[in-house]
Amino acid sequence: QSVLTQPPSVSGAPGQRVTISCTGSSSNIGAGYDVHWYQQLPGTAPKLLIYGNSNRPSGVPDRFSGSKSGTSASLAITGLQAEDEADYYCQSYDSSLGGSRVFGGGTKLTVL
Amino acid sequence: QVQLVESGGGLVKPGGSLRLSCAASGFTFSDYYMSWIRQAPGKGLEWVSYISSSSSNTNYADSVKGRFTISRDNAKNSLYLQMNSLRAEDTAVYYCARVGSGYCFDYWGQGILVTVSS
Repeated sequence: QSVLTQPPSVSGAPGQRVTISCTGSSSNIGAGYDVHWYQQLPGTAPKLLIYGNSNRPSGVPDRFSGSKSGTSASLAITGLQAEDEADYYCQSYDSSLGGSRVFGGGTKLTVL
Repeated sequence: QVQLVESGGGLVKPGGSLRLSCAASGFTFSDYYMSWIRQAPGKGLEWVSYISSSSSNTNYADSVKGRFTISRDNAKNSLYLQMNSLRAEDTAVYYCARVGSGYCFDYWGQGILVTVSS
């Protein structure tokens, strides 16, 4: 059971917009800690996609965007492409776990 | 360009020990916190440990506390994870990662497989 809750799977057709939610609590996202998002393509290491809730590292397309409100955060992907099919993870900090960094359980994105 | 290359993985019996290494290049290693993150087969990501740039501060997930020790050698641009009293549930791909802005993990190694089995 992950501290941050994500839907196990989402899907969308090419060109569509999908969102992935990440729900936390008052000891992590709700306490104001930053949320970061990672993309893991099949058989590869995770890659940073969004940091500090809504910032994109250099090289990440602007089709990817992040937001945060209250105890939740969201990753939005517009103009869905076949190569976006991957696992996506949110990550934050939790003050109730002795300074632990915590991940969501991950969401499998399927491009139909 | 930033490169992180893990080594030292393999098959070990329950109760055994293993030491992972991570060789860093392409950035000033001594300026950054570093971390280990693992992923059990078919499962999600689990943060394991971090170490501050000067080694003065470390932290561990409860699941490995007292069994794993993180360390670094800034002169050798290297990060380590000493894993003792290994259990079957420690079987995973272990990733070395650089800690970036806001405690994100901005660069990751390719990962190294650790299998704990008799």
